[in-house]
Amino acid sequence: AQTVTQSQPEMSVQEAETVTLSCTYDTSENNYYLFWYKQPPSRQMILVIRQEAYKQQNATENRFSVNFQKAAKSFSLKISDSQLGDTAMYFCALMDSNYQLIWGAGTKLIIKP
Amino acid sequence: KAGVTQTPRYLIKTRGQQVTLSCSPISGHRSVSWYQQTPGQGLQFLFEYFSETQRNKGNFPGRFSGRQFSNSRSEMNVSTLELGDSALYLCASSQGPGQPNEKLFFGSGTQLSVL
Repeated sequence: AQTVTQSQPEMSVQEAETVTLSCTYDTSENNYYLFWYKQPPSRQMILVIRQEAYKQQNATENRFSVNFQKAAKSFSLKISDSQLGDTAMYFCALMDSNYQLIWGAGTKLIIKP
Repeated sequence: KAGVTQTPRYLIKTRGQQVTLSCSPISGHRSVSWYQQTPGQGLQFLFEYFSETQRNKGNFPGRFSGRQFSNSRSEMNVSTLELGDSALYLCASSQGPGQPNEKLFFGSGTQLSVL
């Protein structure tokens, strides 16, 4: 069975600091996608960043970047220069060959002013 | 381009009733998938439709069903509601399997409360 594990239920940092959210996964497939989604209090699920497993280069989107370690099955999210608007639940997800998302339990991130 | 639209936003039902939720995908997207989010179970995959065909189904009882229309709009139906069906139901749309840069975009969800 495929699983996604987020070991940090909650994290808090000061505004402008850098924070890293951890995610590990398990899959027997060779081709898959990994995602980080953000869910603010509005409950809208917002795509943060996407990584194809066959690409060695780590994905980046402005202040967001990932550290993808395929052999270790690790996919962490780094948020640089954190802002108050980054406060949200962050979910790591794996898309398998059936195009369904397997989700982690989420990390609640609080950015303090 | 309009995003994924889910209606209604909130719904209150009683046990035993049935409910239908609607999802309109982003224009040009042909795949629609549904997820259930609860505090206890987290996010779980319900089913996915592509070109009016259910391609995948999660581990949910037969009370949960869905369909997709020729314009890619999708509905999900839950019959004989139980208290445990109270959840946020999220719909996601994408271009479809095999498309480059495959990404799922989500609607705002329908919050279902079963009393």
